[in-house]
Amino acid sequence: DTAVSQTPKYLVTQMGNDKSIKCEQNLGHDTMYWYKQDSKKFLKIMFSYNNKELIINETVPNRFSPKSPDKAHLNLHINSLELGDSAVYFCASSQGWTGRLGEQYFGPGTRLTVT
Amino acid sequence: KNEVEQSPQNLTAQEGEFITINCSYSVGISALHWLQQHPGGGIVSLFMLSSGKKKHGRLIATINIQEKHSSLHITASHPRDSAVYICAVRSRNGGSQGNLIFGKGTKLSVKP
Repeated sequence: DTAVSQTPKYLVTQMGNDKSIKCEQNLGHDTMYWYKQDSKKFLKIMFSYNNKELIINETVPNRFSPKSPDKAHLNLHINSLELGDSAVYFCASSQGWTGRLGEQYFGPGTRLTVT
Repeated sequence: KNEVEQSPQNLTAQEGEFITINCSYSVGISALHWLQQHPGGGIVSLFMLSSGKKKHGRLIATINIQEKHSSLHITASHPRDSAVYICAVRSRNGGSQGNLIFGKGTKLSVKP
């Protein structure tokens, strides 16, 4: 069974469209994350959710909105897509995020291409 | 300057060699992670450590909190170890508490 799954794996869309990427974890973790990996392979945190509350919100454009219907899901919705949004987006989860806790399990990534 | 610096950026080794990848950071941390990103893109967490040393198979990770430095060692390297190794630290300060801050990765290629 896949621990952290993302759909779709590949997403090609045009500028200006709205799209969502879904993430689900079956590990019983209470914290989930979204990361963006740019063309230079540099990873950066976008959002994290702990117990359905947004606890860290990096300075990402407000066109990006995370939505967590329950503890096992954290979806990423993107409005008015721009060329610069093209990247690989990784979802991850952990049990807690402080102290000794917080080892993260990553999804397979979603490669978003905006044309 | 990035808060997390890795060296080297690229590393080519012959099968069987002992490999060391270094990570230095400049922020206060609660933990340091070593991640492995396979050529296919998947990311796996190798270690999370806040002090001392951890070993898993042929991989060893060490951290020196006073010197703000960590190393990842691979003994008896094998071509299947070829991947990008990423160091990430969890900041313990301010509004970014809990964030993972990533290094730019070290691309390792092990030749048979």
